[in-house]
Amino acid sequence: SYELTQPPSVSVSPGQTARITCSGDALPKQYAYWYQQKPGQAPVLVIYKDSERPSGIPERFSGSSSGTTVTLTISGVQAEDEADYYCQSADSSGTNVVFGGGTKLTVL
Amino acid sequence: EVQLVESGGGLVQPGGSLRLSCAASGFTFSSYEMNWVRQAPGKGLEWVSYISSSGSTIYYADSVKGRFTISRDNAKNSLYLQMNSLRAEDTAVYYCARGLVGAIGFDIWGQGTMVTVSS
Repeated sequence: SYELTQPPSVSVSPGQTARITCSGDALPKQYAYWYQQKPGQAPVLVIYKDSERPSGIPERFSGSSSGTTVTLTISGVQAEDEADYYCQSADSSGTNVVFGGGTKLTVL
Repeated sequence: EVQLVESGGGLVQPGGSLRLSCAASGFTFSSYEMNWVRQAPGKGLEWVSYISSSGSTIYYADSVKGRFTISRDNAKNSLYLQMNSLRAEDTAVYYCARGLVGAIGFDIWGQGTMVTVSS
């Protein structure tokens, strides 16, 4: 079955840049989406179609794609950005939606 | 306000059944594809099922195929998940999520309903 691979954890100091990667063989064919989830809350969409930002999401959140890897970048990280981040996409057929295992972002 | 509210979760014995509901408000429900996504305690997100806006196209994750049935009632602005032959590994928070227009992502999520499968 198709899988998306994320690092389990990323740590950065406030004001620095955090980069979270997500790898998958079908990513050149399928868009990626990124969600932020804080403890006890539902996920929130922060990036769609690789690099588009929904209204209401701060400009410090950005996304990029290169081959089989997509990257969520958070510039000028703030304490409130500490959360779990999940990438999501689909297999090449588009009928099976897949989430990455999630990355815990720690703001030191 | 755009909102999704799940209900119907609870404690059920292995092999039992449960029906989840998701009430939508604040948008034209019949125009949107919908999904169920679950999250086991302390684990990551897992997509469960998809239904098109008309209900004519449905997909399931392999882990629930043959046991779960997704449906919708556009007249009642509601999404459903009938879960049969429940297993311990189905224990999770179940979220309903609205599909992005023309894309496979999810832009609106409910707060979730907890399903616990245990004897």
